[in-house]
Amino acid sequence: DAKTTQPTSMDCAEGRAANLPCNHSTISGNEYVYWYRQIHSQGPQYIIHGLKNNETNEMASLIITEDRKSSTLILPHATLRDTAVYYCTSADQKLIFGTGTRLQVFP
Amino acid sequence: DSGVTQTPKHLITATGQRVTLRCSPRSGDLSVYWYQQSLDQGLQFLIQYYNGEERAKGNILERFSAQQFPDLHSELNLSSLELGDSALYFCASSVDPPSGMKGTQYFGPGTRLTVL
Repeated sequence: DAKTTQPTSMDCAEGRAANLPCNHSTISGNEYVYWYRQIHSQGPQYIIHGLKNNETNEMASLIITEDRKSSTLILPHATLRDTAVYYCTSADQKLIFGTGTRLQVFP
Repeated sequence: DSGVTQTPKHLITATGQRVTLRCSPRSGDLSVYWYQQSLDQGLQFLIQYYNGEERAKGNILERFSAQQFPDLHSELNLSSLELGDSALYFCASSVDPPSGMKGTQYFGPGTRLTVL
């Protein structure tokens, strides 16, 4: 099973870029990397996903290393509303969400 | 609003009892997933159904069972409840390609279960 490793917590100043890393060294070649976030106790929200190439959407950018062993989620201009737990996961047959990274955005 | 609905929002019951949680997926989604989230814990995958059939199983207790009906809604049944079953239970749905790979999951608002 592909497993992911993320830092437990991170801080970011409002307006600055938040870079959230994820290690997924056991990911297989056809597994996508997905990022979700959970604000307080709400249902997790999809952010972005990718396979090999870097991806960008209205919420964030995803940078995947060439060897696909790690990725970084980038929130270009963090706001207070981005304070949440961010989960990195891979779309294999046994979905595994770790404990994620608790991002605190401060004024 | 993800388009996934879950009922009830809150449920308070006693140990030993049985409850049923209900989930309606987004229109067109064939896959339904169930997750458990205990206090300050990550999301624990329980089970996935695809078009009425069980597709993947996680750390789901034998006291728990689920099913997906022909109209694609799903129910999670929890029986012989224990204090430790108190948690948030989330349902998610996705459109999975025929290859079996998972698609983007859209989560419902959750059901908060409290066992007293």
